[in-house]
Amino acid sequence: AAGVIQSPRHLIKEKRETATLKCYPIPRHDTVYWYQQGPGQDPQFLISFYEKMQSDKGSIPDRFSAQQFSDYHSELNMSSLELGDSALYFCASSLNRGYYGYTFGSGTRLTVV
Amino acid sequence: AQTVTQSQPEMSVQEAETVTLSCTYDTSESDYYLFWYKQPPSRQMILVIRQEAYKQQNATENRFSVNFQKAAKSFSLKISDSQLGDAAMYFCAYSTGGATNKLIFGTGTLLAVQP
Repeated sequence: AAGVIQSPRHLIKEKRETATLKCYPIPRHDTVYWYQQGPGQDPQFLISFYEKMQSDKGSIPDRFSAQQFSDYHSELNMSSLELGDSALYFCASSLNRGYYGYTFGSGTRLTVV
Repeated sequence: AQTVTQSQPEMSVQEAETVTLSCTYDTSESDYYLFWYKQPPSRQMILVIRQEAYKQQNATENRFSVNFQKAAKSFSLKISDSQLGDAAMYFCAYSTGGATNKLIFGTGTLLAVQP
């Protein structure tokens, strides 16, 4: 079965650089979510899209932006990177607003040096 | 605001034994979903079990079952016949499933399985 695909798996950036994370949800899933998980932390909700429209926003810094494209893939853009942005970034998708559960990708591990 | 609390940062169980992980949550909603996710060292988030709040019957998935107490806002996970592969971080999570249907996670319980 198709899963949520995230790329890249690992990313190393320097402070003040820009990073772009990509997510390809499960086909026909209508909602995409982005989460940030710091070391030893629980995942924190960043932003979500329902049918390509932003549906909810969490503790996402102004330096971050995201969008969902016509083919339903989503990108998380992070600018002016800081050391504290180093984390595991998950994308998840769901069908029918989460009724059947949420499927997570393998995550992108971002390291800012 | 909805919150999820896991009061056991770490738990340990002997192989083949049973262990129960606790979770409580706070919400004013009447309809919502509850989940347990497993995160092994690979960091992949794996859905273990799902419960719909309007269903009285506790969900079961093979060796995993829940004790859902809606009035007490409690949602514990029982793992029977524990296996070495069950060792992982377990997160309890909540969702309203509505327009703002994000998952809200607890802080996690790290489960160790002793051979």
